[in-house]
Amino acid sequence: SQQGEEDPQALSIQEGENATMNCSYKTSINNLQWYRQNSGRGLVHLILIRSNEREKHSGRLRVTLDTSKKSSSLLITASRAADTASYFCAHKPMEYGNKLVFGAGTILRVKS
Amino acid sequence: ETGVTQTPRHLVMGMTNKKSLKCEQHLGHNAMYWYKQSAKKPLELMFVYSLEERVENNSVPSRFSPECPNSSHLFLHLHTLQPEDSALYLCASSIRAGRAAGGTEAFFGQGTRLTVV
Repeated sequence: SQQGEEDPQALSIQEGENATMNCSYKTSINNLQWYRQNSGRGLVHLILIRSNEREKHSGRLRVTLDTSKKSSSLLITASRAADTASYFCAHKPMEYGNKLVFGAGTILRVKS
Repeated sequence: ETGVTQTPRHLVMGMTNKKSLKCEQHLGHNAMYWYKQSAKKPLELMFVYSLEERVENNSVPSRFSPECPNSSHLFLHLHTLQPEDSALYLCASSIRAGRAAGGTEAFFGQGTRLTVV
């Protein structure tokens, strides 16, 4: 299977704390992306990191990529109740140019 | 608003019905996708269209039939579905990946919540 895996499956934290989610994949990739989904709605793109990049920042988000370990992490700093959502990583396998493969996701709950 | 619009948002259909899901984007993207999201399962890629040609069909049963008449519109025609086909169906679009690049991020519609009774 090409699908990625996230851990933890679910994460519950207090507002103001940092949240870290991890993702692993199995193939060589062009890029890896993180998405957010509010309950039962469409996915919203958060950040894209290319295979030749190791770290990327966007506001309160920090993404790392380790291609040797085929893993990535998403850090959300100073979390807010509005960050409550499901977070998915998705990767583009090198040999399938237009295929975006998603992991099972991490459900994040931020308590106020 | 992501710029990708799906209709209808909710659909209840019987197993003998025929219905269609519609997806529309005016972002100038040239790749479009159908995904299925079932409870407690990862998103499953169903079909990929690139420059209006189907380039990916992930062993999807023939009761699901995609159509891409132009780069802005994508349909999913449904017939004789089963209760296990009940799910959230998501459409997405992106710029087609070229040889030198992995393409860009995907923009998703809000999905169609399908219930088969």
